[in-house]
Amino acid sequence: GIQVEQSPPDLILQEGANSTLRCNFSDSVNNLQWFHQNPWGQLINLFYIPSGTKQNGRLSATTVATERYSLLYISSSQTTDSGVYFCEGASGTYKYIFGTGTRLKVLA
Amino acid sequence: DAGVTQSPTHLIKTRGQQVTLRCSPKSGHDTVSWYQQALGQGPQFIFQYYEEEERQRGNFPDRFSGHQFPNYSSELNVNALLLGDSALYLCASSLSRRGPDTQYFGPGTRLTVL
Repeated sequence: GIQVEQSPPDLILQEGANSTLRCNFSDSVNNLQWFHQNPWGQLINLFYIPSGTKQNGRLSATTVATERYSLLYISSSQTTDSGVYFCEGASGTYKYIFGTGTRLKVLA
Repeated sequence: DAGVTQSPTHLIKTRGQQVTLRCSPKSGHDTVSWYQQALGQGPQFIFQYYEEEERQRGNFPDRFSGHQFPNYSSELNVNALLLGDSALYLCASSLSRRGPDTQYFGPGTRLTVL
């Protein structure tokens, strides 16, 4: 089956720093999304981005479907950005696959 | 506008028992997907329900079954519980009428099997 690899697996930043998280797919996927999971387990949808670039405040994302990767940019990081970031795609149309996750800790 | 809700919040069962988890989708959504998240892992797709039928299924045994009701709410049933079924069970809703779309997740049900 399709493998979804995220890098880096762990990241520690000082408040105010910028970062780039990457999501690589072993095969074509549809419906790519990025999520943030907070320490209480709640998954928050950040972007639905099957292709192209989107921005939302300090966050932006780019998906290059033809090269099977997506990037999530976090600028001016804050302590509330801490948690685990997941990308998710769909194999075929509706068989969803989550990535391995990037655990982010932002220090004050 | 209520988001995705799940019940119960926590549940403790013993091996061999059966469990039913419930999910109410976000208002206006017609599709419900279920995921299992073991500690320290990413969520694993169990199955998706649309128009009261299972539309897609992940790599889970038949002990995992589900149902979707006419009001779009859904249940996840797990039979013959194993210790390895201990996990956070997440429900996500979306709107399929226009094709694949953004998923919204509920807070989850934490199941412990003793």
